[in-house]
Amino acid sequence: DIQMTQSPSSLSASVGDRVTITCRASQNINSYLNWYQQKSGKAPKFLIYDASTLQSGVPSRFSGSGSGTDFTLTISSLQPEDFATYYCQQTYSTPPHTFGGGTKVEIK
Amino acid sequence: DVELVQSGAEVKKPGESLKISCKCSGYKFTSNWIGWVRQKPGKGLEWMGIIYPGDSDTRYSPSFQGQVSMSVDRSISTAYLQWSSLTTSDTATYFCARQGVGRNVAFDIWGQGTLIIVSS
Repeated sequence: DIQMTQSPSSLSASVGDRVTITCRASQNINSYLNWYQQKSGKAPKFLIYDASTLQSGVPSRFSGSGSGTDFTLTISSLQPEDFATYYCQQTYSTPPHTFGGGTKVEIK
Repeated sequence: DVELVQSGAEVKKPGESLKISCKCSGYKFTSNWIGWVRQKPGKGLEWMGIIYPGDSDTRYSPSFQGQVSMSVDRSISTAYLQWSSLTTSDTATYFCARQGVGRNVAFDIWGQGTLIIVSS
């Protein structure tokens, strides 16, 4: 199975900060990388697919980049509603389509 | 609107069986894979497997193969996740989600989650 490693596991930031989350795959996954946001007690929300394509309705302050094994999710200017846990997921080739361990973004 | 509505929370004893449901609406049920994701209390997301309602083709994660069973009822656009004998380690919230098509092979729409508590 392909392993997905996110870093950091948590971070503290202030409203308006630029935040970057990293996701690393254990092997080449091309650009088959998705990002999700999960708020406490809620279902995950789909943000980005194909490493950099924003799902319809997702604010433009979110962006994704990378290919191969290294990927990033960037929030250009953190808003109060962005405090949540973020997960990457690879969907390369046959299942399982593993998730990363998550990155919790907390208020500083 | 596309919507996935899951069955309610359950409290069960070890050794009991259970079947939870995920009612899909607002799209053609047989056109998209449906996946199941486990989240243990305070932990991350675990990909369990997917089922294609068109022909009931299933793909399980090795971690869950033989532990759970996925099925669908096309007549009522509902997917199911089933256990024959629960253990305390099955205590978690379980989400169903629709998988997109084409390049968008992601879980684009999620159910609200079903909390399962297994305790003696």
